[in-house]
Amino acid sequence: DIQMTQSPSTLSASVGDRVTITCRASQSISSWLAWYQQKPGKAPKLLIYKASSLESGVPSRFSGSGSGTEFTLTISSLQPDDFATYYCQQYNDFSHTFGQGTKLEIK
Amino acid sequence: QVQLVESGGGVVQPGGSLRLSCAASGFTFSIYGIHWVRQAPGKGLEWVALIRYDGNNKYYADSVKGRFTISRDNSKNTLYLQMNSLRAEDTAVYYCAKGCCSSFSGDAFDSWGQGTMVSVSS
Repeated sequence: DIQMTQSPSTLSASVGDRVTITCRASQSISSWLAWYQQKPGKAPKLLIYKASSLESGVPSRFSGSGSGTEFTLTISSLQPDDFATYYCQQYNDFSHTFGQGTKLEIK
Repeated sequence: QVQLVESGGGVVQPGGSLRLSCAASGFTFSIYGIHWVRQAPGKGLEWVALIRYDGNNKYYADSVKGRFTISRDNSKNTLYLQMNSLRAEDTAVYYCAKGCCSSFSGDAFDSWGQGTMVSVSS
């Protein structure tokens, strides 16, 4: 199975900061990567699909990039609503592996 | 708007069985692959199973293969997960999720239910 590794596991930042989360795949997944945001007690929400396509209704401060084995999620200017846990997920094969998550905390 | 509503969770003893349901509305259920994804308490997300739009192709995580069965009834817009031989490590919130943005093999998930809790404990 394809392994997905996110970094960092925890990120402390302030409102207005630009933040980047990295996701690495154990083998090439082309651009078959999605990013999700999850808040406590809630279901995940799709932010980005196919590595860089913004899901409808998601603010433009979120962006994704990368291909092959290395990917990034960037939030250009953090808003109070953005403090949550973020997951990457590959869908290059049927294992649909998720990264372990990155918790974005208020500094 | 898309709505997915899971039900059927509860407390079950190790070795027991449970059947989860996911009622869908707000989209043409019969043309989408639908997934189960779970999350153990305080842990990350784990994909469990996929059933293609027509029910003819099903895929499972290795951790549940041979114990869980995914199925769907397109006439009722409902997805199911039959869980047998349950173990403590199956304890989790189980979400159904609608596939989108497909690759040749897999999906991203653009809509999720609220989840149903399954606890396996003696």
